[in-house]
Amino acid sequence: GESVGLHLPTLSVQEGDNSIINCAYSNSASDYFIWYKQESGKGPQFIIDIRSNMDKRQGQRVTVLLNKTVKHLSLQIAATQPGDSAVYFCAENVFGQNFVFGPGTRLSVLP
Amino acid sequence: EAEVAQSPRYKITEKSQAVAFWCDPISGHATLYWYRQILGQGPELLVQFQDESVVDDSQLPKDRFSAERLKGVDSTLKIQPAELGDSAMYLCASSSSVGGTEAFFGQGTRLTVV
Repeated sequence: GESVGLHLPTLSVQEGDNSIINCAYSNSASDYFIWYKQESGKGPQFIIDIRSNMDKRQGQRVTVLLNKTVKHLSLQIAATQPGDSAVYFCAENVFGQNFVFGPGTRLSVLP
Repeated sequence: EAEVAQSPRYKITEKSQAVAFWCDPISGHATLYWYRQILGQGPELLVQFQDESVVDDSQLPKDRFSAERLKGVDSTLKIQPAELGDSAMYLCASSSSVGGTEAFFGQGTRLTVV
């Protein structure tokens, strides 16, 4: 399949280690955020979301942290697996408007 | 599991020809988005619908692109005439409300203009 994001920043982690992917968002009025995972040749897949009244939310193996003061979002993946290899995008949303995507980070899991 | 359906998955067209993409959102989702994703970049909005009405088409190149959602369900995005720079992935997404809830994406249509 074709490659998504040939020139994206890349994070390489060893299988089993934890991964941290960062995102700076642009709009201080954004009140809802989503992390998406995109595999080659496929559409973005929802991972986890967080609202602006929260600073942390946990899912299965994933945690999202939100720092509104510096407009920063991070995605932590615990015990990274080969299947986690993909491009990860953060998306910000103001109610009533569209989702605005960040530039993306390629996660490469090393055996 | 409900999903957003898009067709075709792949399309190759010659420059100056017309091309159309189709999207069927998740049943009951009032909000529908069309995004364009150039290789190496994040998706960028082309048009947003709430039911059959256009909410935001400020980034849609209206001289050549058009989108419709006549009955507030499925949607069609058209390009006429296609240009080489239109080569990209065209993604459709739907959401149950206009913001504040998950937007689910289809698998996209990969357009190549030759």
